[in-house]
This record gives sequence, C-alpha cells and structure tokens, in this order.
Amino acid sequence: DSGVTQTPKHLITATGQRVTLRCSPRSGDLSVYWYQQSLDQGLQFLIQYYNGEERAKGNILERFSAQQFPDLHSELNLSSLELGDSALYFCASSVDPQPNEKLFFGSGTQLSVL
Amino acid sequence: DAKTTQPPSMDCAEGRAANLPCNHSTISGNEYVYWYRQIHSQGPQYIIHGLKNNETNEMASLIITEDRKSSTLILPHATLRDTAVYYCIVRLHSGNTPLVFGKGTRLSVIA
Repeated sequence: DSGVTQTPKHLITATGQRVTLRCSPRSGDLSVYWYQQSLDQGLQFLIQYYNGEERAKGNILERFSAQQFPDLHSELNLSSLELGDSALYFCASSVDPQPNEKLFFGSGTQLSVL
Repeated sequence: DAKTTQPPSMDCAEGRAANLPCNHSTISGNEYVYWYRQIHSQGPQYIIHGLKNNETNEMASLIITEDRKSSTLILPHATLRDTAVYYCIVRLHSGNTPLVFGKGTRLSVIA
C-alpha cells in the first residue's frame, strides 16, 4: 500500500459526460501528480500541484482540469468525454518536488467511456 | 529530458539475477537515473535512483557506468512477483520537471 488513495476505482460513463476523479496523497506529502495511461500512449504526465498551486503542466487537454484543495487532496475533472479518454488515471504524491524525490502512486481509476 | 533506451522485453529464470539495461547517452551532469516498475495495471512503484555512484537497497542494485551513459538495474534473485514493466527514467535537475515514462522493459520471470 503506497498510502495514496484514489476514488473511485472504476468509472463507467457515456460520451459527452463529465466526471471527477479524487486523490488523497500520503500523509505529509505536499505535491500531487496526475498521469493518464492508455494502451496506445503509455503513461502520460498530465499536471502537478504543490501545496495548492499548479507547478507543472504536461499533455493535459483543455477539457480536463485539476485542483488541489487546502487539505491537500486533489481532483481531476474530465468533461465532454470522448471514447479516447478511456484510460487508467493515476495520482502520485511526494513530499516535495525535488529532483531526487521519489513518487508514490495510487492504484488508479479505470475510466471507461462508452 | 534525456532520452532512455531499453529493450522492449526480457525473460529471466526464477531465482536468477535479472539484469535490466538502460542507455541514456545524452544524460547531463545533474540528471538522476530513476527506476520504477509497474505490475499489471497497478500504479508504478519506485525501485531505486542514483546520480553517479552505484546504489543498493532492499529491492535492487543500480549500477551506473563511469561515463553515466548507461546503467543496469539488478534484481538479485528474481521471483514470479517481479514480473512487471520496468521503466528507466532520467530526470532533469529542476524540481518542476516531472517523471516522464517511456515504454520500459517488460520482464517476465519464468518458473
């Protein structure tokens, strides 16, 4: 158990809908990262937050948004869903975004868009 | 980020050492080498990282060549539970640079 909690574990929805994925980082970790893993693209970095502020941005679509709340949990919002958004979404956390810092990953949310 | 090159797949007999190579010929002086693994659709798991010196922990050993252009992850006594995709990642010094995963090496440990 990495200590990172993601909910829900599975989500099935229809095209055009909006969903919210939730992540609770390890106790004491200030940084949260979101990754998307699809069969054809592998693990893709989406976005990082540190202590409530956006820190780095990757290949995140404009239809996607995220935030980190004062209690440090994070939510990833996916809207106007398309079939191609079906993927595993992972959240990771670390104490501090230093170059030698290791990330702890949650078990992921499997999103299926039908 | 410096690019890494890993073989797409490898097999290893159970109980033997698994040696997973990684080439990172364009690595710069302040970049760390990280290894993570992902066991079938679980979240990636940190294994080990290093800058210049060889490193060892309870999971594995990391051997980095003197010129730092390549490294080898060693699992000393592979078990069936070590079957996973292993990612070698080079990370820039800047704290704003996230881990970027490539395709990794799919290690199959065979009984």
